[in-house]
Amino acid sequence: GENVEQHPSTLSVQEGDSAVIKCTYSDSASNYFPWYKQELGKGPQLIIDIRSNVGEKKDQRIAVTLNKTAKHFSLHITETQPEDSAVYFCAASTGNQFYFGTGTSLTVIP
Amino acid sequence: DTAVSQTPKYLVTQMGNDKSIKCEQNLGHDTMYWYKQDSKKFLKIMFSYNNKELIINETVPNRFSPKSPDKAHLNLHINSLELGDSAVYFCASSQGLAGAWDSGELFFGEGSRLTVL
Repeated sequence: GENVEQHPSTLSVQEGDSAVIKCTYSDSASNYFPWYKQELGKGPQLIIDIRSNVGEKKDQRIAVTLNKTAKHFSLHITETQPEDSAVYFCAASTGNQFYFGTGTSLTVIP
Repeated sequence: DTAVSQTPKYLVTQMGNDKSIKCEQNLGHDTMYWYKQDSKKFLKIMFSYNNKELIINETVPNRFSPKSPDKAHLNLHINSLELGDSAVYFCASSQGLAGAWDSGELFFGEGSRLTVL
């Protein structure tokens, strides 16, 4: 089955700086890569996703890149704000089920 | 107007007891899931139902039994609770199968924190 690895497990940045979280996957059949944000005491919520037919997608301060050849994808958050502090999960799917990464706890220091 | 709601939010019980967690979605989705999140935040799929039919049943002890009376509800019953069952259990739903084109976004509930003493 699919194996998704996520790094780093924890990340601290100063407010205003950028944050990058990286994931790799093993199954070349995976074609959908969402990113979820989980705030304290809440369920994960989709923030951005990318399909295998594009290499990059941007939504305001958040962007995701995908390298199908290397089987890795990354989440980029620019101009970080304290409200970006949360646990972020990457995931990969072949269209049947999601395989989640192990999560990154992001802390934005004011 | 909660999209995916699960009850109870907190559950504290003794080893050996039986407990249930209920989940309802009002999004009209066809597929529902149960995920377990352990203390290290790792999200692991347990079960998935599509139109009341079980489609994913990961390696989960048979003390865990899901029940889907209709496609808007997916309940989780746990028998003979053990210490290792302590975790946060998330219900989720999606229109189509997970990751399916244009219909695979997962919507999560707020979680049910189970503590077994």
